[in-house]
Amino acid sequence: EPEVTQTPSHQVTQMGQEVILRCVPISNHLYFYWYRQILGQKVEFLVSFYNNEISEKSEIFDDQFSVERPDGSNFTLKIRSTKLEDSAMYFCATSHRAHSETQYFGPGTRLLVL
Amino acid sequence: TQLLEQSPQFLSIQEGENLTVYCNSSSVFSSLQWYRQEPGEGPVLLVTVVTGGEVKKLKRLTFQFGDARKDSSLHITAAQPGDTGLYLCAAYSGNTPLVFGKGTRLSVIA
Repeated sequence: EPEVTQTPSHQVTQMGQEVILRCVPISNHLYFYWYRQILGQKVEFLVSFYNNEISEKSEIFDDQFSVERPDGSNFTLKIRSTKLEDSAMYFCATSHRAHSETQYFGPGTRLLVL
Repeated sequence: TQLLEQSPQFLSIQEGENLTVYCNSSSVFSSLQWYRQEPGEGPVLLVTVVTGGEVKKLKRLTFQFGDARKDSSLHITAAQPGDTGLYLCAAYSGNTPLVFGKGTRLSVIA
């Protein structure tokens, strides 16, 4: 069964460093998303991406964050200058058609900012 | 801002018991999804419901979407230790992003 994959599974970084989280969507899916989950809290929407553009973003997704699909397969989330409060699980999700379609989540990347 | 309230927050039961967990909101949703999440892993989709009053069954799990599409329930029959996990509901309203509840953490004791 097709699934969303994410790399790395864990990332430890120093405050102020840049990190890039990678996702490989399900092959025929067109809508891509990033979510984060701070330990013990809700899964929170960050951004949605369709047709090589951001279609929606939350207040969390500030100028420190960016997304792109550099090679037609990977979908990346970049955090330019990490802060302690960026420590969280980051999940990529994809859906086949409109963003109201069922979303399928990857296993996540655990980011720890020291 | 839509809020999804899940109850109970924690539930610990003996193997073989039945249980129901709830997902409630004051908003009307176009679709609602239930996920199960294990520690350190991503949410795994269990079901999507879209029609008011809809009931879906997945083996021992029964999902119901409220008639007004504001709430949903998940009923587990004869719970097993393998059902242990965090059960999340998530929903769409119009063109808003997917909103998650905080989840119900279920522990089934053998």
